[in-house]
Amino acid sequence: EAGVAQSPRYKIIEKRQSVAFWCNPISGHATLYWYQQILGQGPKLLIQFQNNGVVDDSQLPKDRFSAERLKGVDSTLKIQPAKLEDSAVYLCASSSLRRGEETQYFGPGTRLLVL
Amino acid sequence: KNQVEQSPQSLIILEGKNCTLQCNYTVSPFSNLRWYKQDTGRGPVSLTIMTFSENTKSNGRYTATLDADTKQSSLHITASQLSDSASYICVVITYGQNFVFGPGTRLSVLP
Repeated sequence: EAGVAQSPRYKIIEKRQSVAFWCNPISGHATLYWYQQILGQGPKLLIQFQNNGVVDDSQLPKDRFSAERLKGVDSTLKIQPAKLEDSAVYLCASSSLRRGEETQYFGPGTRLLVL
Repeated sequence: KNQVEQSPQSLIILEGKNCTLQCNYTVSPFSNLRWYKQDTGRGPVSLTIMTFSENTKSNGRYTATLDADTKQSSLHITASQLSDSASYICVVITYGQNFVFGPGTRLSVLP
């Protein structure tokens, strides 16, 4: 089974620029998550989708971050404009809603460096 | 506030030795607890899943314990290998499918 795909793997931008990340979850997984992981810390949930609806976006800095999952499959996360403190790894994960299969599967992440 | 703490922050051991990582949590309503291994530059991968009624679960050289009364969990690694060098993250999941991540323990196994 193919895993969670993310692109790009790395991105370097200057502050105040915009950037977008893409995630394709495991086929059939209804739930998709975006996490921000700062070096040396555990992942922090930014937004959780179930199909194409938002379940939790309480920790998403909505003044600069946005995410969508229009067709309930792949998703994009955008930062506009970026700040220095946005430098982190952005992880996408997906999970099945089926009982007993709630394990999250993570993609490799996109490493963002804001200069 | 839902919170997961882990100790130690980092650990260095020699190949072949055993080690134990700790996790304390204040999360409710508790559904299950998971330990993830995260290699450098990769996403986390699930090692074990433990529900409220389970005290111990093993996965090869990894053994996780859970004390739901004291809200503590541990991950014991036996006969460590160089490939065990990674971050180990404790995650507690609520019934609402909220995933609360700990900060991780960075393990380095030296030859």
